[in-house]
Amino acid sequence: DAKTTQPTSMDCAEGRAANLPCNHSTISGNEYVYWYRQIHSQGPQYIIHGLKNNETNEMASLIITEDRKSSTLILPHATLRDTAVYYCIVKGRGAQKLVFGQGTRLTINP
Amino acid sequence: NAGVTQTPKFQVLKTGQSMTLQCAQDMNHEYMSWYRQDPGMGLRLIHYSVGAGITDQGEVPNGYNVSRSTTEDFPLRLLSAAPSQTSVYFCASSYSRLAGIADTQYFGPGTRLTVL
Repeated sequence: DAKTTQPTSMDCAEGRAANLPCNHSTISGNEYVYWYRQIHSQGPQYIIHGLKNNETNEMASLIITEDRKSSTLILPHATLRDTAVYYCIVKGRGAQKLVFGQGTRLTINP
Repeated sequence: NAGVTQTPKFQVLKTGQSMTLQCAQDMNHEYMSWYRQDPGMGLRLIHYSVGAGITDQGEVPNGYNVSRSTTEDFPLRLLSAAPSQTSVYFCASSYSRLAGIADTQYFGPGTRLTVL
């Protein structure tokens, strides 16, 4: 599975959009980009995933660049409850194992 | 559905003791796995199972045993606990092990283990 690079930490004001970047320059054609988050030592929570098209669900949007070498997770209206560590993970088709890196610690400030 | 459940929530062991961490899911998921998370670190895969009777090693399997006799349960056994196994342990499950399926993994609340 391709390696990912994320900023160690980010801050965002409550009510604003939080944009979390992720680089995955060695991603291959059949690998998906997944985002999970972990709130204060709870079990990780699935957010969204995508292959090459942009995706949106009730939690977030995922923007993947055309060359698929990077992506951005967007939380459109961040709340204090979105404070968490966010993990960007690249996972191959058919591969069930998730390889977690250090993630980005996102702090939402009032 | 209860989702993925783990017991106990907290456990303190002495070096050399053995114990079993329990994990169960009621979603009829084929795939189950165990991760450990050390302070300030990401999760690391210990063992996983793609179905009843089938298990395999992950990134850090030493010191741990698993078995999968039913679809619902995937216990993790520590045969002789060591202080290096002090960690938070998470169990996860997902629906399908089939190639080509991109699906999500659901995590349990974790077991916080301290080995003295």
